[in-house]
Amino acid sequence: DQQVKQNSPSLSVQEGRISILNCDYTNSMFDYFLWYKKYPAEGPTFLISISSIKDKNEDGRFTVFLNKSAKHLSLHIVPSQPGDSAVYFCAASGSDYKLSFGAGTTVTVRA
Amino acid sequence: NAGVTQTPKFQVLKTGQSMTLQCAQDMNHNSMYWYRQDPGMGLRLIYYSASEGTTDKGEVPNGYNVSRLNKREFSLRLESAAPSQTSVYFCASSLGSSYNEQFFGPGTRLTVL
Repeated sequence: DQQVKQNSPSLSVQEGRISILNCDYTNSMFDYFLWYKKYPAEGPTFLISISSIKDKNEDGRFTVFLNKSAKHLSLHIVPSQPGDSAVYFCAASGSDYKLSFGAGTTVTVRA
Repeated sequence: NAGVTQTPKFQVLKTGQSMTLQCAQDMNHNSMYWYRQDPGMGLRLIYYSASEGTTDKGEVPNGYNVSRLNKREFSLRLESAAPSQTSVYFCASSLGSSYNEQFFGPGTRLTVL
C-alpha cells in the first residue's frame, strides 16, 4: 500500500511559467518531507525539504508547501527552465530514517 | 569526494545466476540503503543499515541479502536471480539522524533473462 502518492505522472509547462507538482500522503506519523529530482541514467538528487513544524520552505526558484491537515504537499518551480525537465519524486519519513517515495512526476519544460 | 559509488553500472544475468552489487560512500555517513526503481512505482526500499553492524528489511526484501562490510560499504546480493528482479538498483547513504536527506549513487541497471 503506497503511503506517498503522486497522482500526476507527467506535467508539461512552458519555459518561464510556474510548475506545480503535487503529492499526497496517508501516514500521519510522517514528519519530514523531501523532493528529489532525477535525470535519466543518474541517481536522484536532493532538491528541497520541509519539516512538519513548517508550512512553507523556499530555496531560490523552488518552494515547497505543506498542508498537514490535508496530508498534502506541493512543489512550486518559478520560473521553469529547460534544465528543470526531469522526474521529480516526493518522499516522506518518520522517526525511523526510512524514506517512502511517490511514483514520480515527469516534468517537461517547453521552449 | 566521490559521494556514493556503485559497481557495476550495467549487468545482464541468466535466471538462477548470482551476483553482488557493490556500494561505497566516502561521506562518513552512518546509514546506508538499497532501493529498486521500477516503472510507475517510484523507489522501493529493499534493505537498509541504520548503522555499522546492523541491517534490516525494507519494503521488498525477498530474494535479496545484504552485508554492511564496514562503515563505508554496503553490498546487495542476489543469490538466484529471477526475471522479476530486472530493475534499476540505487544505493544511498545518510547521516542517520532525523531530518536528513539521503544521497544516491548513479544506479545499476540489471537485466535478468
